[in-house]
Amino acid sequence: NAGVTQTPKFRVLKTGQSMTLLCAQDMNHEYMYWYRQDPGMGLRLIHYSVGEGTTAKGEVPDGYNVSRLKKQNFLLGLESAAPSQTSVYFCASSSTGELFFGEGSRLTVL
Amino acid sequence: ELKVEQNPLFLSMQEGKNYTIYCNYSTTSDRLYWYRQDPGKSLESLFVLLSNGAVKQEGRLMASLDTKARLSTLHITAAVHDLSATYFCAVDIGGWDDMRFGAGTRLTVKP
Repeated sequence: NAGVTQTPKFRVLKTGQSMTLLCAQDMNHEYMYWYRQDPGMGLRLIHYSVGEGTTAKGEVPDGYNVSRLKKQNFLLGLESAAPSQTSVYFCASSSTGELFFGEGSRLTVL
Repeated sequence: ELKVEQNPLFLSMQEGKNYTIYCNYSTTSDRLYWYRQDPGKSLESLFVLLSNGAVKQEGRLMASLDTKARLSTLHITAAVHDLSATYFCAVDIGGWDDMRFGAGTRLTVKP
């Protein structure tokens, strides 16, 4: 069972570059989320989606955009990367509140 | 502002000992979740607590929820090395669409 799959798993960017993280889930979940994890700060919600075609801002949305064109996919975009966006990014999906996480994507912005 | 506070943030235990991790939150919620994260890995769900007084147990771990006190506990009984990990609580404040996490408790169990 694939569950939640994130690509890429590692990426190094230069300041100002753009990139997209892809999250795919095969559990037919309505809810999908993007979190970032930084040392000592737990996980912070960036954006989330409650269904295909819908997105909403979370706790720390600035500098990120998202899209959910298909139910199974949730994309996180960085238009102009900044060093403050160096982090580990986790995608998660849910149908009942319990979150199922991907393996994480480690992003470094130089 | 919503706060989800875990304590302790770091915990070093001897094998065979008991200890409790606390999760306090500052807003009304009757849904709380515990997750485990091994170093360099993803998070996996441990417990789902959906009402006041809920208690769940799995092996040497037991979680409880007191919504009136806005407090959840994760109790470790007779710790073993395999329990070494970081444990997170998460509070559902908006109907599954806004889940806020504590900072995590890094547990190390020593022989």
